[in-house]
Amino acid sequence: DAGVTQSPTHLIKTRGQQVTLRCSPKSGHDTVSWYQQALGQGPQFIFQYYEEEERQRGNFPDRFSGHQFPNYSSELNVNALLLGDSALYLCASSLGGPRNTIYFGEGSWLTVV
Amino acid sequence: KQEVTQIPAALSVPEGENLVLNCSFTDSAIYNLQWFRQDPGKGLTSLLLIQSSQREQTSGRLNASLDKSSGRSTLYIAASQPGDSATYLCAVTGNNNDMRFGAGTRLTVKP
Repeated sequence: DAGVTQSPTHLIKTRGQQVTLRCSPKSGHDTVSWYQQALGQGPQFIFQYYEEEERQRGNFPDRFSGHQFPNYSSELNVNALLLGDSALYLCASSLGGPRNTIYFGEGSWLTVV
Repeated sequence: KQEVTQIPAALSVPEGENLVLNCSFTDSAIYNLQWFRQDPGKGLTSLLLIQSSQREQTSGRLNASLDKSSGRSTLYIAASQPGDSATYLCAVTGNNNDMRFGAGTRLTVKP
């Protein structure tokens, strides 16, 4: 049973560029959440998708957007990258919303130079 | 706004010791609390999930307690092993489904 998979694992972008990160949830899971984790900090909630709609959103600017596809996979897009966007981006999935056990992927390391 | 604090930020113990990690939160209106483990550069692994109506959960050498009224949770690790070395994070899910994490406790267990 495949867990949560994310791609790419590492990437380097230049300030002002755009990036797309991808996530496939654990088999059978329908809810996907995205988190940003800076070095030495806990993950910060970006947004959550359920039934292809954004259900919850954290305190992140509109430069951060996402999408969930009919197969429950998800993308995170970040426009106009800033140096401060450098972080580990984590995708997590659960079944029927976030109130059940949540499973995390290994993350995508984004470095903005 | 929910604030989650973990103390201590780092802890180093010799192998075999029992230890306690602490988590506190400011808003007691939570749905559940989860403890996670994170190895360096890796994702998070869920260790224990405590629903708001529960007082504790146990898994092997791990025991987590929850005192919602005082806004506290503890993770007890018995007979620590070098393989337990990792960062331990607690996260609370509010009734609005918003999950908030603490900054974690970095644990080192020395052989």
